[in-house]
Amino acid sequence: DIQMTQSPSTLSASVGDRVTITCRASQSFSTWLAWYQQKPGKAPKLLIYEASTLETGVPSRFSGSGSGTEFTLTISSLQPDDFATYYCQQYHTYSYTFGQGTKLDIK
Amino acid sequence: QVRLQESGPGLVKPPETLSLTCTVSGYSITSGYYWGWIRQPPGKGLEWIASIYHSGSTYYNPSLKSRVTISVDTSKNQVSLRLRSVTAADTAVYYCARDKSPEITTGVFDIWGQGTMVPVSS
Repeated sequence: DIQMTQSPSTLSASVGDRVTITCRASQSFSTWLAWYQQKPGKAPKLLIYEASTLETGVPSRFSGSGSGTEFTLTISSLQPDDFATYYCQQYHTYSYTFGQGTKLDIK
Repeated sequence: QVRLQESGPGLVKPPETLSLTCTVSGYSITSGYYWGWIRQPPGKGLEWIASIYHSGSTYYNPSLKSRVTISVDTSKNQVSLRLRSVTAADTAVYYCARDKSPEITTGVFDIWGQGTMVPVSS
């Protein structure tokens, strides 16, 4: 299996901040990476796929980049609704794996 | 609007079999898309379990494959999951989700059910 490691595990930030979450893969692959947002008690929500393609309806303040083994999710200006846990997921192999999550909370 | 609703037993005793059903509304599963199951233990991350197409084509997580069966019932527009020989480690919220591509499995899940919590305890 490809192991996905996110950093940091927890991130404290304020409304209006620019934040970046990193996801590193144990093996190199192209851009078969997705990002999800999850709020407490809710199902994950797809934000980005193919490393940088924004899902329909997702605000443009979210962006993704990277390829190979290092990927990033950036939120350009944090809004109150963005405080949540974020997961990366690789789908390069038919054994899809997720990162352990990054909890973004209010400073 | 496509909606997914998971249903399950509420509590399973080890080493019994966990059985879950995902009812899809607003879309006929015979029209396309792979449908998958993903689980999340309390306070932990996400784990993909399996995916299936209406034709019966399946993909399984190798770490769970020996204990899992995913199936479809097109007459009921449902996708089911069976997990055998459960232990406390299988306690989780189980989600049903739709794969983003209508014809191939991509592993990207764009529509999710609300999830159902399944405790495993004697």
